[in-house]
Amino acid sequence: SQELEQSPQSLIVQEGKNLTINCTSSKTLYGLYWYKQKYGEGLIFLMMLQKGGEEKSHEKITAKLDEKKQQSSLHITASQPSHAGIYLCGADKYWYSGGGADGLTFGKGTHLIIQP
Amino acid sequence: GAGVSQSPRYKVTKRGQDVALRCDPISGHVSLYWYRQALGQGPEFLTYFNYEAQQDKSGLPNDRFSAERPEGSISTLTIQRTEQRDSAMYRCASSGAGVNGELFFGEGSRLTVL
Repeated sequence: SQELEQSPQSLIVQEGKNLTINCTSSKTLYGLYWYKQKYGEGLIFLMMLQKGGEEKSHEKITAKLDEKKQQSSLHITASQPSHAGIYLCGADKYWYSGGGADGLTFGKGTHLIIQP
Repeated sequence: GAGVSQSPRYKVTKRGQDVALRCDPISGHVSLYWYRQALGQGPEFLTYFNYEAQQDKSGLPNDRFSAERPEGSISTLTIQRTEQRDSAMYRCASSGAGVNGELFFGEGSRLTVL
């Protein structure tokens, strides 16, 4: 199974600034998923990346999977208070899985605080 | 329902008691997953079902934990003889057909074992 390391663990950013969160695996990532968790709520799916070099955007959030498929970065442009929360990366538990169908392994999360 | 519903939202129990946590997935969703999330950690996979069949229970910590989904819809996660280390947020998620990786999570059941 995959083990994912996220950095930084926590991040305080002034509103309007850009930021980047990283997710690193020691093994090849066959499917990488970004979720957001708001305090006291469930996890919300942001996007899935599968191909090396793939980049996807959702509103002001852009995520990329590197060519070697061992690291993903999530970038937020012009941060807003609504971006605050915990960002979690997840990977397929098994290399032969797809789309998270057999369950996901998650990193510990990055806590993002937006200062007005 | 419109989303994944979990109950109870909060459960406080004494050590040694049994607890049952319920998950009502989005209507029509084939797959249902149980995760456990300790404070400051990411969700940890416990088990999952396709329809009523339990596909993988490798994440269940020990034999005090069990789950069922008898009619392929509502699922119950049961913890017998609870211990303090079982205290955590228990999250349920469901997904429909397709491979886009989108799991729909409920708000979770917060279990506290005294």
